[in-house]
Amino acid sequence: EDKVVQSPLSLVVHEGDTVTLNCSYEVTNFRSLLWYKQEKKAPTFLFMLTSSGIEKKSGRLSSILDKKELFSILNITATQTGDSAIYLCAVEKNQFYFGTGTSLTVIP
Amino acid sequence: GAVVSQHPSWVICKSGTSVKIECRSLDFQATTMFWYRQFPKQSLMLMATSNEGSKATYEQGVEKDKFLINHASLTLSTLTVTSAHPEDSSFYICSAMWTLSSYNSPLHFGNGTRLTVT
Repeated sequence: EDKVVQSPLSLVVHEGDTVTLNCSYEVTNFRSLLWYKQEKKAPTFLFMLTSSGIEKKSGRLSSILDKKELFSILNITATQTGDSAIYLCAVEKNQFYFGTGTSLTVIP
Repeated sequence: GAVVSQHPSWVICKSGTSVKIECRSLDFQATTMFWYRQFPKQSLMLMATSNEGSKATYEQGVEKDKFLINHASLTLSTLTVTSAHPEDSSFYICSAMWTLSSYNSPLHFGNGTRLTVT
């Protein structure tokens, strides 16, 4: 059965901390892994990963995929209160399989 | 737990016909369901938000007469694409959540429906 598991389910950190969010998957016919940031409405796209070992960066966010061990991590450095959100991981085959997300709260 | 089932997973229809997509929460009561459209390599675009027993709230630019949303029960929402055209071909995803007092559950997503209009 295809599944995507994110951990931790929730996380509370102080501003300036660095966090690592995890996404492991068991999906056949893998095409890509996507990270989204979910605030109030539609999740906003962060990264799409298709190749192992190639880090993608956007400002303080970075992500990498390990297709051998079937997981991805999302790193956020120097966290800010605006980073508070639910971070969704999704794996694409012919459909999208989403994890339930990690709820990140950054407190001042 | 917290499973959302979306059906069908894919559908091909002819231009001018209507297509209905169902979104069911299997093991929880969904107070709110969301419908998204997914464009390739882009973020999900929220189309509408539906609360059980009330009219859906559509996002700007989404034609409510074309994309009919019904949320008749706490476990079922439907999206009907009326008079479909090839430009409606896309990936449609629903998600559901429940609210208890001030607590909002995470979003639980269906696996999506790929619509192809010929």
